[in-house]
Amino acid sequence: DAGITQSPRYKITETGRQVTLMCHQTWSHSYMFWYRQDLGHGLRLIYYSAAADITDKGEVSDGYVVSRSKTENFPLTLESATRSQTSVYFCASSEPRSEWREYINIQYFGAGTRLSVL
Amino acid sequence: SQQGEEDPQALSIQEGENATMNCSYKTSINNLQWYRQNSGRGLVHLILIRSNEREKHSGRLRVTLDTSKKSSSLLITASRAADTASYFCATENSGGYQKVTFGTGTKLQVIP
Repeated sequence: DAGITQSPRYKITETGRQVTLMCHQTWSHSYMFWYRQDLGHGLRLIYYSAAADITDKGEVSDGYVVSRSKTENFPLTLESATRSQTSVYFCASSEPRSEWREYINIQYFGAGTRLSVL
Repeated sequence: SQQGEEDPQALSIQEGENATMNCSYKTSINNLQWYRQNSGRGLVHLILIRSNEREKHSGRLRVTLDTSKKSSSLLITASRAADTASYFCATENSGGYQKVTFGTGTKLQVIP
């Protein structure tokens, strides 16, 4: 399938368990992102990656781990899930391009994973 | 912290009317983008306006940017029921790693 896919779409887990959310893109975009979306907060950046083996923290990275061994995959792991991590998680990718001496960074989003931590 | 703040948070209009959403931001930007999110789906890019542009059109969308006031507006003309969605502004800051920061969104309901 072309595009960006997230799996699973829905996940229920218990506090303390490790959970991994998967993200796969077929465009070979260099940048990939993980966001969480909560009511009243909009989208908040968890982690991003500029290329394979290059990752960096976003606004709300505590409790999350990422890896990017291949350009097309960017899994997000909750090491020990907490109730506060109940949210909808979105993965996105982009390939910045230069126009008029500026970089344009349009992001393409997956359909999201709805995670409930009980 | 959010760079963009949309106003209003929610908007309900009749089909055929125009819908206007506003976005304010805090720091200097390279460009400002608008995205749409249908219920239960991911965000979809709609339009981008550069910091040196004042107005841009795409179909029924019109975006304005006032860098002196650090604000932007999105106008959807002749709205349709299918325009029902949440709309987010996103600012791409000057310098750095092409960081895009999203606002909290405006929820638009278009009543048939």
